[in-house]
Amino acid sequence: GEDVEQSLFLSVREGDSSVINCTYTDSSSTYLYWYKQEPGAGLQLLTYIFSNMDMKQDQRLTVLLNKKDKHLSLRIADTQTGDSAIYFCAESMDRDDKIIFGKGTRLHILP
Amino acid sequence: DTGVSQDPRHKITKRGQNVTFRCDPISEHNRLYWYRQTLGQGPEFLTYFQNEAQLEKSRLLSDRFSAERPKGSFSTLEIQRTEQGDSAMYLCASSQIPGENYGYTFGSGTRLTVV
Repeated sequence: GEDVEQSLFLSVREGDSSVINCTYTDSSSTYLYWYKQEPGAGLQLLTYIFSNMDMKQDQRLTVLLNKKDKHLSLRIADTQTGDSAIYFCAESMDRDDKIIFGKGTRLHILP
Repeated sequence: DTGVSQDPRHKITKRGQNVTFRCDPISEHNRLYWYRQTLGQGPEFLTYFQNEAQLEKSRLLSDRFSAERPKGSFSTLEIQRTEQGDSAMYLCASSQIPGENYGYTFGSGTRLTVV
């Protein structure tokens, strides 16, 4: 069945890199996503990666995909206090298909 | 275009009452999705429409839930005989298929509290 697993909490010092990991079960997923949700706010798409890619970089964000192990990671370089949020890993079979979300990783920034 | 709009932002209702939420998608988007997010969980898919046709419904969508998109534009989600377990954030999203760019966009949600 479809399932997305991610750790629930991560604490990182300001200025360090944050790495959030995720595993998924559906090998037919072609789109993998990272969404950000701040308290009281909606879902913000951070980035997505096609299943035929290994890596995608966008400014401070780096996404790595290991399709063999069905493992996705999000690295945030130079973590800032504004990065404090819940980060959701998600997958879908097609670009405009239903999206299956993980439970989210709460990122806490230490001063 | 102001994005995906949901109304109301918050709704408090007594158990057993019926509630209806509205979603206005981005105007040119032909697909519209409903999700539910409970506390401490990620959003869970409920149903989606392409134009006015409801193409898929999750098993989470019990008989008390009904969604419509009569003219292929805005959509409504009705919950009959609400239960405390229905308390959640109800999110709407829309996209355009086919489309050159990725445009799957979420609204800010309707937070339902059943007391």
